[in-house]
Amino acid sequence: QKEVEQDPGPLSVPEGAIVSLNCTYSNSAFQYFMWYRQYSRKGPELLMYTYSSGNKEDGRFTAQVDKSSKYISLFIRDSQPSDSATYLCAMSVDQAGTALIFGKGTTLSVSS
Amino acid sequence: ETGVTQSPTHLIKTRGQQVTLRCSSQSGHNTVSWYQQALGQGPQFIFQYYREEENGRGNFPPRFSGLQFPNYSSELNVNALELDDSALYLCASSHGGLALSTDTQYFGPGTRLTVL
Repeated sequence: QKEVEQDPGPLSVPEGAIVSLNCTYSNSAFQYFMWYRQYSRKGPELLMYTYSSGNKEDGRFTAQVDKSSKYISLFIRDSQPSDSATYLCAMSVDQAGTALIFGKGTTLSVSS
Repeated sequence: ETGVTQSPTHLIKTRGQQVTLRCSSQSGHNTVSWYQQALGQGPQFIFQYYREEENGRGNFPPRFSGLQFPNYSSELNVNALELDDSALYLCASSHGGLALSTDTQYFGPGTRLTVL
């Protein structure tokens, strides 16, 4: 079993839809949870960062962490064609500046 | 833009050769991490350097080695290249230091290595 599982998709939605992206993990020691967005042939770009359990909102993006279920989510409201990218979940044990364990990434396509 | 740059953008090598990839971190970032991202996969942690010392290593063989310099630049060296080394190599910089619980990593655009 991989430490971090993420459905690779692809996921296709119309513009304006609400998108839900998810990851599960097996290591209960993970405390720091991140979502990165990666456009084709580019490096990952940090979208959201959460410490421990709870919700965090930033504009159209909401990150949720449920440590009891070892499950994290990213919600995108009012999705736009510019949101079309690969979304990677990442997590670490000590702090976000140390070794990150990534999921496989989910490819999202938003059509206009 | 993250302020993290990498060179070269693309590289083609043959099996058995050696390669050096370069990264320039954000000014003030004492930690650099290197990741390997195979096609269709998430990045995999290779190793991390903090103030020029190796500070953690993932499940990669010793032929993957690195250096970090005082001027916020760093190198990833790979010896005896294998076909499976073909991937996007990413470096990421962060402030580092145990007290920075909110520290995050900023990635460069990557170097795409093809081994023939």
